[in-house]
Amino acid sequence: QSALTQPASVSGSPGQSITISCTGSSSDVGGYNFVSWYQQHPGKAPKLMIYDVSNRPSGVSNRFSGSKSGNTASLTISGLQAEDEADYYCSSYTSSSRGLFGTGTEVTVL
Amino acid sequence: QVQLVQSGAEVKKPGASVKVSCKASGYTFTDNYMYWVRQAPGQGLQWMGWINPRNGGTNYAQMFQGWVTMTRDTSTTTAFMVLSSLKPDDTAMYYCARDRGGDPRGAIDVWGQGTMVTVSS
Repeated sequence: QSALTQPASVSGSPGQSITISCTGSSSDVGGYNFVSWYQQHPGKAPKLMIYDVSNRPSGVSNRFSGSKSGNTASLTISGLQAEDEADYYCSSYTSSSRGLFGTGTEVTVL
Repeated sequence: QVQLVQSGAEVKKPGASVKVSCKASGYTFTDNYMYWVRQAPGQGLQWMGWINPRNGGTNYAQMFQGWVTMTRDTSTTTAFMVLSSLKPDDTAMYYCARDRGGDPRGAIDVWGQGTMVTVSS
């Protein structure tokens, strides 16, 4: 598998909640609780938002939450804000001890 | 503070090799796996591989096997990535990035500033 599958774009109004999916297989997302989510603004390096499926690093807003069911992981952004407009990528550990990124999702705040 | 500082932009001709360095500071270099990730212009993130700075062990993504080499120098706390037989499609921003833990789970908490590599004749 060359990349985990994410929707190309997701949009929402300020204050709403949105969810981004990340679909893999039993060899990656479904087989391990090692899914991470990254936020990337244009021209910037990615920023870790969620690790190990649902853990937030220090300093990341609690409006960001992660979960997993079977081969699909999800990132939910609640109380959407203008600053959340960015690209989001999931990643997963795989059975070959390698990593795999998702295809990326562009989040637009309407 | 924890920092990864990469070498500057490179312009290479097709068929050449490029070596990118990544100087780590603010933490114990051998405690955390180091990844290399690339991003072509307007494209997504692509995982290239990791190196264990403690013992030099590596694991490369299948598509890069045979033409990427990752090494480290513990005396200077610097990681290196060499990509050979460059093609125009290898034009991308190359990032070094640190795993937050002592195993390669893929939770990258610190990123270098990126090194732009342009391959053009």
